[in-house]
Amino acid sequence: EAQVTQNPRYLITVTGKKLTVTCSQNMNHEYMSWYRQDPGLGLRQIYYSMNVEVTDKGDVPEGYKVSRKEKRNFPLILESPSPNQTSLYFCASSPSRTAGTQYFGPGTRLLVL
Amino acid sequence: AQSVAQPEDQVNVAEGNPLTVKCTYSVSGNPYLFWYVQYPNRGLQFLLKYITGDNLVKGSYGFEAEFNKSQTSFHLKKPSALVSDSALYFCAVRDGSNDMRFGAGTRLTVKP
Repeated sequence: EAQVTQNPRYLITVTGKKLTVTCSQNMNHEYMSWYRQDPGLGLRQIYYSMNVEVTDKGDVPEGYKVSRKEKRNFPLILESPSPNQTSLYFCASSPSRTAGTQYFGPGTRLLVL
Repeated sequence: AQSVAQPEDQVNVAEGNPLTVKCTYSVSGNPYLFWYVQYPNRGLQFLLKYITGDNLVKGSYGFEAEFNKSQTSFHLKKPSALVSDSALYFCAVRDGSNDMRFGAGTRLTVKP
């Protein structure tokens, strides 16, 4: 089954404790992206990657890092989480940046205390 | 810069009635427009898109959307709402060279 998976689905952590949210897709897509969803703000892009070893900032990259060492994986790293990073996070993929339709993972709900 | 607005936070309709979820956009070039739906505890699912061609686009689950260039709108419609249509709906826009921008979302509630 074609899908985007994220782990963990739910995470409670404390300020300053490094964490990684994994994202994997099995559709051989070149383009992958991370979003955060906050009430009243919709989805805002954090980082994106157009291919292996090619990543770039989205609209709200502060406090986040990403890497793209393999085509299928695109982990999101919070080196020192803060309470304002409490949010719902989505990973998405598509065949290319201009392909249009994106396929979304199930989401990761993060609470930073 | 591209942007998209969903002017209604919440839309309530009775089952069997037609529904409309509104979306307006702003882009510098030709727009690529999308609608996604999010059910509780799920990721976003693609409903339909407009790239070019016929202004009326048909999508999944009986939904359709009408592209109106003069009004810069792309409203989502369905002739007869179902309770199971209750969800959060997002409009998104891209102008071909930039990444997708999402609206804030509209929560649709269909009452029996």
